[in-house]
Amino acid sequence: EPEVTQTPSHQVTQMGQEVILRCVPISNHLYFYWYRQILGQKVEFLVSFYNNEISEKSEIFDDQFSVERPDGSNFTLKIRSTKLEDSAMYFCASDGDSSYEQYFGPGTRLTVT
Amino acid sequence: AQKVTQAQTEISVVEKEDVTLDCVYETRDTTYYLFWYKQPPSGELVFLIRRNSFDEQNEISGRYSWNFQKSTSSFNFTITASQVVDSAVYFCALMSLKLTFGKGTLLTVNP
Repeated sequence: EPEVTQTPSHQVTQMGQEVILRCVPISNHLYFYWYRQILGQKVEFLVSFYNNEISEKSEIFDDQFSVERPDGSNFTLKIRSTKLEDSAMYFCASDGDSSYEQYFGPGTRLTVT
Repeated sequence: AQKVTQAQTEISVVEKEDVTLDCVYETRDTTYYLFWYKQPPSGELVFLIRRNSFDEQNEISGRYSWNFQKSTSSFNFTITASQVVDSAVYFCALMSLKLTFGKGTLLTVNP
């Protein structure tokens, strides 16, 4: 069964550093999403992406964040200058036809020290 | 604004008991989707069900069943004859333009 993959599974970085989290959505999907989950809390929407542009973003998704689909397979989330409060699990998801059945990747745990 | 409320933070049951997880939502949209996801201790999010706002028919899938009541804006989830492997955090979510999650209910099923 096709699945969303994410790398790395765990990333440790120092405050102020840039990180790029990578996702490979399901190959024929067109809609892509990033979510984050601070430890012990709920999953929060960050951004949705369709047709090579952001279609929706939350107030969390400020200028420190950016997303890109650099080629036909990867979907990346970049955090320019990480803060301690960026420590969280980041989930990527994809959806084939806006049927709202989003398939989630296994997540990347980001730890900012 | 969208909001999902899962009033039960934690539930603990003994194996084989039935358990119902509550979900109440708020939205001004007439078209929306409701979801349940399971997050086991390993951390991944597992899709369980999707329901659209026009389909109030209840659904049963094995030991799982869902009760969607638009009149009370609720979408409750029942596990029948619970098992230890059901232990997880369960999230209810609402989708209009974006997916909004509730805070989750930690279900612990004890042997």
